[in-house]
Parts: sequence; structure tokens; C-alpha cells
Amino acid sequence: GNSVTQMEGPVTLSEEAFLTINCTYTATGYPSLFWYVQYPGEGLQLLLKATKADDKGSNKGFEATYRKETTSFHLEKGSVQVSDSAVYFCALSDNNAGNMLTFGGGTRLMVKP
Amino acid sequence: EPEVTQTPSHQVTQMGQEVILRCVPISNHLYFYWYRQILGQKVEFLVSFYNNEISEKSEIFDDQFSVERPDGSNFTLKIRSTKLEDSAMYFCASRSGTSVDEQYFGPGTRLTVT
Repeated sequence: GNSVTQMEGPVTLSEEAFLTINCTYTATGYPSLFWYVQYPGEGLQLLLKATKADDKGSNKGFEATYRKETTSFHLEKGSVQVSDSAVYFCALSDNNAGNMLTFGGGTRLMVKP
Repeated sequence: EPEVTQTPSHQVTQMGQEVILRCVPISNHLYFYWYRQILGQKVEFLVSFYNNEISEKSEIFDDQFSVERPDGSNFTLKIRSTKLEDSAMYFCASRSGTSVDEQYFGPGTRLTVT
């Protein structure tokens, strides 16, 4: 079956530091890949997505590249802000009829001023 | 901007009681989902719903669970006889229908079973 593995947190960084959150996946076929973010007390918001190999998703300074050869979709940001503190979830959809999402365990990011 | 809404935000119930969690998906969306997140754990898929029937369900979605779209706007999740281990955050999501569309999530209902 499908699975997503992401680095455990919490990740604690100072403001303006570089962020990488690793994500690898196992899937049959050609999944679409997503990063969702959950701010404290809120639901899940789509941060970015990539639908095929070598696609780069980007939004709000965050980027992730769909690497089929390494089955990875690592999240990066060049300079984090305190407002980026949240839990980040990597997820995949195998693009079948239901398009259910399979999530990783989530990584809590804490950014200190 | 259209959004998915869920009510209530927090539900406390006693073990063995029935609960109904309500969701209003985005109006022109065709696919609807329920997920749950036990505290500190992964977000897990429960069920997907399309064209007034279940299209996929997980092992978690046993006979105690049911879903319904009683009218043109609401999408409900019913748990017939709640157990302590049903305590979790339940998220509703909807999707418009093209093959790689994102799912839009509601804010969640926190269910506490005592």
C-alpha cells in the first residue's frame, strides 16, 4: 500500500534560518504529492503540490521538487519567519477514482525570534 | 473565498452514544471525504463519497460509521455507538473533481468520548 515518511520533529530554528523537512514516499503508479500546513487551532491548508516527476511546487517562499528517482518530496524554505511555526504534513494521492490522501506523521516547526 | 465548514467545533459525548458530525463542503465540489487525527498521530483517511455513494473506505470505517448527504449542502459522519478510542479530531474535505485537484479541508470537529 501507499505510505509517506517524514522526519520527526520538532524542528526548532531561529528566524531567517534555512529549513528542510524531509519526505519520502512509497506508492504504486504515479502519485501526486502535497504539503499541507496546520497552524495552531486550525485545519489543514494546502501549501503546495506537484503532480508529476521533476515538477516543483512553490508557495509563500516554500518549495518542494517531485523526485521520482529518490521517491522524495522534501520541503525547503530559504529564510523562515516566526509566523511559519506550524505542523507540516507531506501527503500523496494515487489519483485513482477516490483520490484519497495518505499523510505522513507531520513535523512540528518552531521558529524563534 | 469559499470554504468548508464543520459543526460543532467540539463535541463531548459518553461512551455508547451516537454522534453526528456535520460538514458543509464547497458548493460546486463533487467529492467528499472524512479523515481523523488522533491526538499526536497521523491524519488518517476514513471514507470518500461521490455521486451519493461511498467510493472508498478504510479499515477504520467499520459498521459503526456511516456517511450521508441528506440534502444538497450537508455531508455528515455518524458514529452509532462511540468508543473511547473514537476520540480524535475529525476533518471533512471536498474536491471539485478534476483528477489532480487539491482537497479543501474544514477546521475540524474535536470529538471527546468519556
